[in-house]
Amino acid sequence: EIVMTQSPATLSVSPGERATLSCRASQSVSSDLAWYQQTLGQAPRLLIYSASTRATGIPARFSGSGSGTEFTLTISSLQSEDFAVYYCQQFNTWPLTFGGGTKVEIK
Amino acid sequence: QVQLVQSGAEVKKPGASVKVSCKASRKTFTGYYVHWVRQAPGQGLEWMGWINPNSGATKYAQRFQARVTMTRDTSISTAYMELSRLRSDDTAVYYCARGLYGSGSFIFRIFDPWGQGTLVIVSS
Repeated sequence: EIVMTQSPATLSVSPGERATLSCRASQSVSSDLAWYQQTLGQAPRLLIYSASTRATGIPARFSGSGSGTEFTLTISSLQSEDFAVYYCQQFNTWPLTFGGGTKVEIK
Repeated sequence: QVQLVQSGAEVKKPGASVKVSCKASRKTFTGYYVHWVRQAPGQGLEWMGWINPNSGATKYAQRFQARVTMTRDTSISTAYMELSRLRSDDTAVYYCARGLYGSGSFIFRIFDPWGQGTLVIVSS
């Protein structure tokens, strides 16, 4: 199966600053990569799919890039509601697999 | 806006089975795949499989193949996930999630929206 590795495990950022999260696949997944946000006690929420397409209702401060094995999620100016755990997921190959998550915390 | 509403928390003994339900709020239930994903306490997300509510076809992750059964009842817009021979490491929150709809043959493999989750505790 394709192993997804996210880094860093924890990212400490001040409100208003930029956050850059990374996701690496053990083999190419083309652009078949999604990002989800999970706040404490809540279900995950789709942010980005096909590497760079924002899901319905997702603010423009969230952007995704990359293809093949290297992907990035950028939050341009962190708001209080953005402090959460972020997961990447590849949907190129069965079984569908997730990264271990990056926790974005307040600095 | 579609919502997925799951059944309540369960406590089971090792070796037992659990059946979790996921009810869609709209009549378009049969038009979208339903996936099941679990999350052990403090851990990441693990995909378990999907069901096509229209045909009843299923696909399971290999590690769950022998123990999981996904079904649906179209008359009440509800999907089910049953996990048998429970072990303590099956303790987790189980989520259903709808597959995205749109162009592209892989689009249904993206999860949106998600149910609220069902906590299953396996303990003797």
